[in-house]
Amino acid sequence: NAGVMQNPRHLVRRRGQEARLRCSPMKGHSHVYWYRQLPEEGLKFMVYLQKENIIDESGMPKERFSAEFPKEGPSILRIQQVVRGDSAAYFCASSPPVGSGSSYEQYFGPGTRLTVT
Amino acid sequence: SQQGEEDPQALSIQEGENATMNCSYKTSINNLQWYRQNSGRGLVHLILIRSNEREKHSGRLRVTLDTSKKSSSLLITASRAADTASYFCATVSTGANNLFFGTGTRLTVIP
Repeated sequence: NAGVMQNPRHLVRRRGQEARLRCSPMKGHSHVYWYRQLPEEGLKFMVYLQKENIIDESGMPKERFSAEFPKEGPSILRIQQVVRGDSAAYFCASSPPVGSGSSYEQYFGPGTRLTVT
Repeated sequence: SQQGEEDPQALSIQEGENATMNCSYKTSINNLQWYRQNSGRGLVHLILIRSNEREKHSGRLRVTLDTSKKSSSLLITASRAADTASYFCATVSTGANNLFFGTGTRLTVIP
């Protein structure tokens, strides 16, 4: 059972370009979470999705950021018109459906390190 | 903010010593989890303690939870150089699913 996969692992974008980050959850997991980590800081929650639904996007900046988790395929975190302040590590985590006997444990991917030049 | 605070921010100990890290949080929680992150890597789940539990053990790890003080501690006994990493506490608030992370403690174990 492969773990949470994220790609690319490293992404360099110039200011104004778009960044697309992908996350494939663990098999059997239907919940995906995106977190952002600035250097020397803890992770900050951005968005929580289930298949085809955004459940909680309270941590997502209102502009330029969007996320989706389609019926087929990976979850995508999209950042339009990137700025230098978007440079960070973006982590995806997945968990099984709540109430399935799980304990809210989230399994993290290796992260995508975005650098905006 | 619901984000927790961890104390100390950084800790440096000799191999074989015990390391204690503390975490405080602000909201009512369902559970509290501790994660470890090696430099430049993703997070690894260490242990979860539910709001109705007071102490939990896993190998060399011991976690305590005091919901009246909204605080938790992680004890790593007989530390090893390989324990060098950043340690984060994260809470799941009552009625929520996402994790709110603390600011982390950077542990260095000197061989």
